[in-house]
Amino acid sequence: DAMVIQNPRYQVTQFGKPVTLSCSQTLNHNVMYWYQQKSSQAPKLLFHYYDKDFNNEADTPDNFQSRRPNTSFCFLDIRSPGLGDAAMYLCATSTTGSPVSEQFFGPGTRLTVL
Amino acid sequence: ILNVEQSPQSLHVQEGDSTNFTCSFPSSNFYALHWYRWETAKSPEALFVMTLNGDEKKKGRISATLNTKEGYSYLYIKGSQPEDSATYLCARYNQGGKLIFGQGTELSVKP
Repeated sequence: DAMVIQNPRYQVTQFGKPVTLSCSQTLNHNVMYWYQQKSSQAPKLLFHYYDKDFNNEADTPDNFQSRRPNTSFCFLDIRSPGLGDAAMYLCATSTTGSPVSEQFFGPGTRLTVL
Repeated sequence: ILNVEQSPQSLHVQEGDSTNFTCSFPSSNFYALHWYRWETAKSPEALFVMTLNGDEKKKGRISATLNTKEGYSYLYIKGSQPEDSATYLCARYNQGGKLIFGQGTELSVKP
């Protein structure tokens, strides 16, 4: 089945130790998104790619970076994780990013920062 | 309303009960409203994408209505089953091509 895959499902890192979360998709969708969801809060968009065009949200900390080497893969790099970066990170895709394009989500990576 | 707000935050019902919850959003410059269901340990899945004022969509026992003029959408579940237990997220599509999510309503259905 076509899907969005996130690895790992659970990630534990140490304060200040760089960490990379990965997302892959078999849907061949143009748009890929990264969301951060902290406990009991709304998922918050960090950035998205339309093909290779990178769109960063204004309030996304510089500590968060992303790479999309090809259509299928997208990575979220956290350069120096702080305790406040502990959250669920969701990757999603959509065909065109239009208002009626539903988003297809991965199961998320839960990040713990010690 | 500046943000997307959902109420209640959590809901506990008995199997067989019908239930509903609310999503409120800014009504200006409206494009679309999405509903997603997120079961524990699974991926969020799209339920509905709604664009027209007065629109009503249905999928099995779940239905949703949309009022774009006053900025709200209702999600209804008829005869709740334990497998309906999940977090239900709504999201408003914003200019710029992104979804603004509410914090979700966590539904628990007890047998």
